[in-house]
Amino acid sequence: IQLTQSPSLLSASVGDRVTLSCKGSQNINNYLAWYQQKLGEAPKLLIYNTNSLQTGIPSRFSGSGSGTDYTLTISSLQPEDVATYFCYQYNNGDTFGAGTKLELK
Amino acid sequence: EVQLVESGGGLVQPGRSLKLSCAASGFTFSNYYMAWVRQAPKKGLEWVATISTSGSRTYYPDSVKGRFTISRDNAKSSLYLQMNSLKSEDTATYYCARQRGRYFDFWGPGTMVTVSS
Repeated sequence: IQLTQSPSLLSASVGDRVTLSCKGSQNINNYLAWYQQKLGEAPKLLIYNTNSLQTGIPSRFSGSGSGTDYTLTISSLQPEDVATYFCYQYNNGDTFGAGTKLELK
Repeated sequence: EVQLVESGGGLVQPGRSLKLSCAASGFTFSNYYMAWVRQAPKKGLEWVATISTSGSRTYYPDSVKGRFTISRDNAKSSLYLQMNSLKSEDTATYYCARQRGRYFDFWGPGTMVTVSS
């Protein structure tokens, strides 16, 4: 399964509602996770099974989707959210998306 | 607190071997599948290997199958990755990761492997 993330680069302001997209080439059956990677750091799990929030992750992060289309939403962007976000499917094999780089406008 | 700390990275010539280690703490290591995931410079992430709780089952993508071997020592809470016949395209930061189900819930800070003559 190939994953396509869009946009590849997103500029937004503090307080904005931000939506990141991840589209699979086949049905992912909700076996999708989202990771946040800050510069020079290891990836951090944010969301698993499409919409389950990992322990300790702020509630402004949420996930949704079904079939081939999935979304990560940040309800109110904070400065510490500047990072690259990767989606990952584990329904059929293991595939990471190429990432969306989120920066402050 | 879950901690994973990789070691063993460095500069190695093409065709040579290298063994990475990962020291785990803060959880019952023997209860979890473990994995290695790599990230080439300024590139995306690629799963490299997974090992079952007992070590009896291992899984690899085609890109490393036959060259890389994942292993573990539950008594030492340690994970290993033996990399043979290294190629330039194996240059990456290698992350040790704990698996929960089929996804990775905790990652180490990574160790850099550079394959170059």
